[in-house]
Amino acid sequence: EPEVTQTPSHQVTQMGQEVILRCVPISNHLYFYWYRQILGQKVEFLVSFYNNEISEKSEIFDDQFSVERPDGSNFTLKIRSTKLEDSAMYFCASAGEGATEAFFGQGTRLTVV
Amino acid sequence: AQSVTQLGSHVSVSEGALVLLRCNYSSSVPPYLFWYVQYPNQGLQLLLKYTTGATLVKGINGFEAEFKKSETSFHLTKPSAHMSDAAEYFCAVSDQSGGSYIPTFGRGTSLIVHP
Repeated sequence: EPEVTQTPSHQVTQMGQEVILRCVPISNHLYFYWYRQILGQKVEFLVSFYNNEISEKSEIFDDQFSVERPDGSNFTLKIRSTKLEDSAMYFCASAGEGATEAFFGQGTRLTVV
Repeated sequence: AQSVTQLGSHVSVSEGALVLLRCNYSSSVPPYLFWYVQYPNQGLQLLLKYTTGATLVKGINGFEAEFKKSETSFHLTKPSAHMSDAAEYFCAVSDQSGGSYIPTFGRGTSLIVHP
C-alpha cells in the first residue's frame, strides 16, 4: 500500500542551525502539506503546496520556514535558524486530485537544544 | 473558516465499556469530517471519514461516528473498549474552501482504558 515516508524519524539540532525535513509523498498525489505538533498540543497546519507553489500558509509559517519540491518526488521543509520553540513533531501529508482525505507520514521529531 | 472543538482532553473508561469521544465542528460549507488516531510515538492514522451519503460511518477497530448536521457534531463511539484503544484521538474538518484541501484538527482527546 502506498504511503508517505518521512526522514529522519528523529533529528536533534542546535539552536540557530538550519534543518531540512524530508518527505516522499505518495507518487501520484498533487497536494502536499506540513503540519506540526508541539508535545502535548494539537496538530497545527503550517503550509500547503500545489502546482509547485505555496497555496496556503498559517501564521506559524513565517520567514524562517520554506518548502520545496526539488526533484518531483521529495517535498522538504526547511527551518533556517531553529529556535527552542521549534521543537515538535512535524508531519508531512499528501492528497490526490479530488481526494477527500490526506495521508500522513509517521512524522519527524525535531528537538532543538 | 472552519474549526473543531473536542470536549474533554481526557476520557477514561473501563475495558468493555462504551467509548464516546465528542467532536463539534464549524464550517461555512458542507464539511468533510475525519477521526484520526495517534498511538504513542507514532503518526496519524485515519480511523474513519464522512464525506457525503450515509451519516453513520464505520471505521477500523470497531469505531463508528455519526454526522449530525443539526447539532454540528461528529462524535466517535465504540461499543466496547479494549486496552489497545488507549491513544490520542483527533477530530478534523475540511470544507475544501478556496479549492484546496486543508484539514483543521481539534486539540485531541486522550483515551485511557482501565482494566
